Amino acid sequence: QQQVKQSPQSLIVQKGGISIINCAYENTAFDYFPWYQQFPGKGPALLIAIRPDVSEKKEGRFTISFNKSAKQFSLHIMDSQPGDSATYFCAALQTGANNLFFGTGTRLTVIP
Amino acid sequence: GAGVSQSPSNKVTEKGKDVELRCDPISGHTALYWYRQRLGQGLEFLIYFQGNSAPDKSGLPSDRFSAERTGESVSTLTIQRTQQEDSAVYLCASSLRRAGELFFGEGSRLTVL
Repeated sequence: QQQVKQSPQSLIVQKGGISIINCAYENTAFDYFPWYQQFPGKGPALLIAIRPDVSEKKEGRFTISFNKSAKQFSLHIMDSQPGDSATYFCAALQTGANNLFFGTGTRLTVIP
Repeated sequence: GAGVSQSPSNKVTEKGKDVELRCDPISGHTALYWYRQRLGQGLEFLIYFQGNSAPDKSGLPSDRFSAERTGESVSTLTIQRTQQEDSAVYLCASSLRRAGELFFGEGSRLTVL
């Protein structure tokens, strides 16, 4: 059973455009939602994270939007650049638990 | 080292053989995780170590899989009698504390022929 559902599976965006990746979850006990970025041949690296006490968090061109009632959160990449081309994973964690549940990933390609 | 180190980076083995994968976490990180990443799939939790506590083995897919870690040092993931469905990238991550930011290694790509 997939604890975190992620879409789309792949995404192609023009340079300068906005990339949007969506995730949904069922477990209302989740209280920490990070996004990880993975380049080919590398391990994932933390990009940005949010807790459900806020509806939005912004770091540079990257923004997480969080909708607690809908149990959904999304990553927005503004002014997308070719260097943003990577696979993005959303994840969710319940405080006190050991396991970070990951989505299935979105392969983003930003074309010049 | 500066980051999480994994070896081997690539391993090709024949079905039925045993393999051992190694992870050297960031110094001082008490938490260590193993994840499996199949082609085009998300990260599948395998096992978690926290200091000298009993490991959380709830993600291990079968009794052919086992892992060890001594204290806060190196961990080894062992897969016995490998099967073709074991082919994947095995990622190790360490963290300063449970469920903190995970720092991943580059993974060990296992191919079972």
